[in-house]
Amino acid sequence: KNEVEQSPQNLTAQEGEFITINCSYSVGISALHWLQQHPGGGIVSLFMLSSGKKKHGRLIATINIQEKHSSLHITASHPRDSAVYICAVSIQGAQKLVFGQGTRLTINP
Amino acid sequence: NAGVTQTPKFRILKIGQSMTLQCTQDMNHNYMYWYRQDPGMGLKLIYYSVGAGITDKGEVPNGYNVSRSTTEDFPLRLELAAPSQTSVYFCASSYSGREGGYTFGSGTRLTVV
Repeated sequence: KNEVEQSPQNLTAQEGEFITINCSYSVGISALHWLQQHPGGGIVSLFMLSSGKKKHGRLIATINIQEKHSSLHITASHPRDSAVYICAVSIQGAQKLVFGQGTRLTINP
Repeated sequence: NAGVTQTPKFRILKIGQSMTLQCTQDMNHNYMYWYRQDPGMGLKLIYYSVGAGITDKGEVPNGYNVSRSTTEDFPLRLELAAPSQTSVYFCASSYSGREGGYTFGSGTRLTVV
């Protein structure tokens, strides 16, 4: 079992829909990261969380440390949000990230 | 402020050839990383460095070597390319490995034939 699991693996939605991507982890962490990767493109850091909730524009990230779970929400989704969203965790005591497999999001106009 | 710069963006190698993937950051980050991304898989750590002169193996180091002679540069060397090394390679940096945000390069798509 992977240390970081994302669901769903693939998600297709219509423009304007509210999107939720989930991330569960099984190890002690010092922080959780949400990353975005466009097709053929580089990786961009969206959020780094160690507790609570963060918001940036239409994107909201939450984390529940007790339940070892995080969610990434996109409100009023748009076709330009189509990308792979990756959850990664900074493991306590280690100098590295462990990555989930990513969620491929497609928003149709 | 360029962030993390990787070169080349694309490369095709023949089996047995060698090459160096270059990575430079201008943010004075202490920590630098090399990851590979295979289709349908999460990124895997190849090597990392916590500062100039210090490097350490990640999850998948076999077939690769690194050096960190300066804070800015962290090149990844493939000595004898194999088809299993066909992948997309990402360099990343952070100020603090545990709690700092990460900055990624744009990636190098390598094909070994």
